[in-house]
Amino acid sequence: DTGVSQNPRHKITKRGQNVTFRCDPISEHNRLYWYRQTLGQGPEFLTYFQNEAQLEKSRLLSDRFSAERPKGSFSTLEIQRTEQGDSAMYLCASSLAQGREQYFGPGTRLTVT
Amino acid sequence: SQQGEEDPQALSIQEGENATMNCSYKTSINNLQWYRQNSGRGLVHLILIRSNEREKHSGRLRVTLDTSKKSSSLLITASRAADTASYFCATDNAQIQGAQKLVFGQGTRLTINP
Repeated sequence: DTGVSQNPRHKITKRGQNVTFRCDPISEHNRLYWYRQTLGQGPEFLTYFQNEAQLEKSRLLSDRFSAERPKGSFSTLEIQRTEQGDSAMYLCASSLAQGREQYFGPGTRLTVT
Repeated sequence: SQQGEEDPQALSIQEGENATMNCSYKTSINNLQWYRQNSGRGLVHLILIRSNEREKHSGRLRVTLDTSKKSSSLLITASRAADTASYFCATDNAQIQGAQKLVFGQGTRLTINP
């Protein structure tokens, strides 16, 4: 399967702990996006990479959140000092070019207890 | 804030019937995309329609776009139980140069009853 993959699929953590998620985009896609989705809502944009450059960040991305895409391939999203309000599905997507389809991975469901 | 609104929020129909969902958005766009999401899963891309297109088909799916009304519709014909899911429209923002992010509505929850 050459689709977008995300790991882990589920993560349960205690408040105050740090968590890191990984996204592997479709191999030829140079654009990578992170979104967050809470129950009953549509996904909300967090950040966007073109190759290794982080070009756009949402105001939702507080200073506890950091994303990297060091070699322009896979990306990681880290949340430090997690809070209960961080509980959500974190979705990664990739696209081939501007204005092209964004393809989503299965998501990582984070539960902060 | 979310760009679009889907209507209705929930739709329940019998298998074999057609399902129509609507989406409205606020800014000028380059393209609009429709996605399907099964409960607790990732989003599956259905169709992308560009701002200079008015209608697009893919199998049992038909999407229309009216940029003058800033609205789109998704029609699923001859519905099946497997079509039960949430459906989202997502748009970019042509008013911001280079904007890449998609802005989603809250979705329509479609239930197909056997």
